[in-house]
Amino acid sequence: GESVGLHLPTLSVQEGDNSIINCAYSNSASDYFIWYKQESGKGPQFIIDIRSNMDKRQGQRVTVLLNKTVKHLSLQIAATQPGDSAVYFCAENKSASKIIFGSGTRLSIRP
Amino acid sequence: GAGVSQSPSNKVTEKGKDVELRCDPISGHTALYWYRQSLGQGLEFLIYFQGNSAPDKSGLPSDRFSAERTGGSVSTLTIQRTQQEDSAVYLCASSLGLAGVTDTQYFGPGTRLTVL
Repeated sequence: GESVGLHLPTLSVQEGDNSIINCAYSNSASDYFIWYKQESGKGPQFIIDIRSNMDKRQGQRVTVLLNKTVKHLSLQIAATQPGDSAVYFCAENKSASKIIFGSGTRLSIRP
Repeated sequence: GAGVSQSPSNKVTEKGKDVELRCDPISGHTALYWYRQSLGQGLEFLIYFQGNSAPDKSGLPSDRFSAERTGGSVSTLTIQRTQQEDSAVYLCASSLGLAGVTDTQYFGPGTRLTVL
């Protein structure tokens, strides 16, 4: 079946260190992949996306890597800050209406 | 500018009652989505509206769930004869509805529904 899953449900990182959140997907017939950040009590917020014809994309303090060979997606956050504490979802977009979300990774920051 | 808004923010109801959840999308966005998020879980797609096209209802879990979008703007998600398993956060998102390109969805804060 189709699924987008995460290797770890929780991740604890020292403030200032880099964070790496991983995601595995099983269906390669997709247009692009998206990372969302969801803070407590709020809706998901778009962070960055990457098309299936790319293997890397950088934003402000964030980098997304796509390895289609092993169907793996990762989100790297540089110099993690307390404000980065949230649940991070990877999502796979195959069409305008079909976004499949993973179950999420909770990122916590140690002072 | 104004983002996606949803009301109410919280709704507590008794089992068997009907509820209506409202979503106001970003002005100019032609696409509107409803999702359900159970505690500690990811988002479950429910329904998708795009312009005047027939909605994609493939994610609705049962015939107790329905949604409308009036005038291509505001949407209402209705749950009839609510059950305890309907308890969740219901999220609405909207997007420009562009085809062939990445079409970012912007989410509202959600409505937390509790069925007693």
